[in-house]
Amino acid sequence: DGGITQSPKYLFRKEGQNVTLSCEQNLNHDAMYWYRQDPGQGLRLIYYSQIVNDFQKGDIAEGYSVSREKKESFPLTVTSAQKNPTAFYLCASSPRAGHRTYEQYFGPGTRLTVT
Amino acid sequence: AQKITQTQPGMFVQEKEAVTLDCTYDTSDQSYGLFWYKQPSSGEMIFLIYQGSYDEQNATEGRYSLNFQKARKSANLVISASQLGDSAMYFCAMRGNLGGADGLTFGKGTHLIIQP
Repeated sequence: DGGITQSPKYLFRKEGQNVTLSCEQNLNHDAMYWYRQDPGQGLRLIYYSQIVNDFQKGDIAEGYSVSREKKESFPLTVTSAQKNPTAFYLCASSPRAGHRTYEQYFGPGTRLTVT
Repeated sequence: AQKITQTQPGMFVQEKEAVTLDCTYDTSDQSYGLFWYKQPSSGEMIFLIYQGSYDEQNATEGRYSLNFQKARKSANLVISASQLGDSAMYFCAMRGNLGGADGLTFGKGTHLIIQP
């Protein structure tokens, strides 16, 4: 089945450690996105990538880094510089051509807890 | 900059009644899209419906319809004949620059609870 996988579902880290969240898609989508959701809040855009080897900062990029070496993969690193890293992280992808290019497909999310 | 406002933090509705979830937006883009997503307690984001700014007719998808009033900058979601499984968080979102691949701007959501 085509879709987006994020692993792990739950992740625990000590303060001061970098942590990388995985996002893989087999939908052949060009664009990929990372969002953060805090309790009781909507999603906020961290980074997005329209094509391989290119990415742009979203609204809250500080303390995060990404790479896009392969079309299928868009890992997010939460660095120690991120002041409040505990949150629910959602990855999404979107086609750039063809039918329903407006739609973003979301993965199941990773819940990160930093103590 | 784009902004989405959802003024109803929570709603209780009797099963089988129709529900209207409010959403207003602000953007300087001429071409934009409006979305509604459902988020159950599991956390996944489920796409419900889309409305393009130049679409002449209001979008419908099964029991969901979007009441799009461009002059008022509102994009309310209407759920007909609500079901217990409709209980979830509902988010309104938008994207400008439809020719590109920009991310979505989300509202803070409405927590809908359907009562039997």
